[in-house]
Amino acid sequence: ELKVEQNPLFLSMQEGKNYTIYCNYSTTSDRLYWYRQDPGKSLESLFVLLSNGAVKQEGRLMASLDTKARLSTLHITAAVHDLSATYFCAVDHLPIIQGAQKLVFGQGTRLTINP
Amino acid sequence: DAGITQSPRYKITETGRQVTLMCHQTWSHSYMFWYRQDLGHGLRLIYYSAAADITDKGEVPDGYVVSRSKTENFPLTLESATRSQTSVYFCASRAPGPRIDTEAFFGQGTRLTVV
Repeated sequence: ELKVEQNPLFLSMQEGKNYTIYCNYSTTSDRLYWYRQDPGKSLESLFVLLSNGAVKQEGRLMASLDTKARLSTLHITAAVHDLSATYFCAVDHLPIIQGAQKLVFGQGTRLTINP
Repeated sequence: DAGITQSPRYKITETGRQVTLMCHQTWSHSYMFWYRQDLGHGLRLIYYSAAADITDKGEVPDGYVVSRSKTENFPLTLESATRSQTSVYFCASRAPGPRIDTEAFFGQGTRLTVV
């Protein structure tokens, strides 16, 4: 059974600082997704990582995937208040032979960036 | 409008009543999902569907029923609502393909309160 764990679950940081959110998963998969959720809102796709060593960057956010370690990281560079949100990682449940791909989510990391 | 929409956005119901949450997508995505979001649990999969008339249980299916007679609709029914089903419910869809490498897209969510 695929388990996805994020840490930390809560993170409070100051503007201008760097930090990393970690996403570990328990069984083989080479497809990982990062989502952002603002309070009371839906989930917005941030990154799609599809192979070992994949790295994607968008503004102050950079995501990477190490399938051998079953680990993805979301790195925040020089944080700004607008990045305050809850971030989720999600992993495709393999094998994909039954025809329906199930995304399994981590618990989410609530990020608060203080001025 | 193109996209995925849920209705109602907010619902209060009494214990024991039957409630149906609606989900409609305009992309003709084969795959559709229902998740519930509760504090401390991230998103947990209730049911998913690979195509019309093909559905399967997720992680927390007890107390819920789904149907999918048309590709674009995926209603979720709580047969006899309980307080433990108070939650935010998200519907999602994904594109089909021999290799599924697209992210899931989420509806706005339905906040359900069972009193």
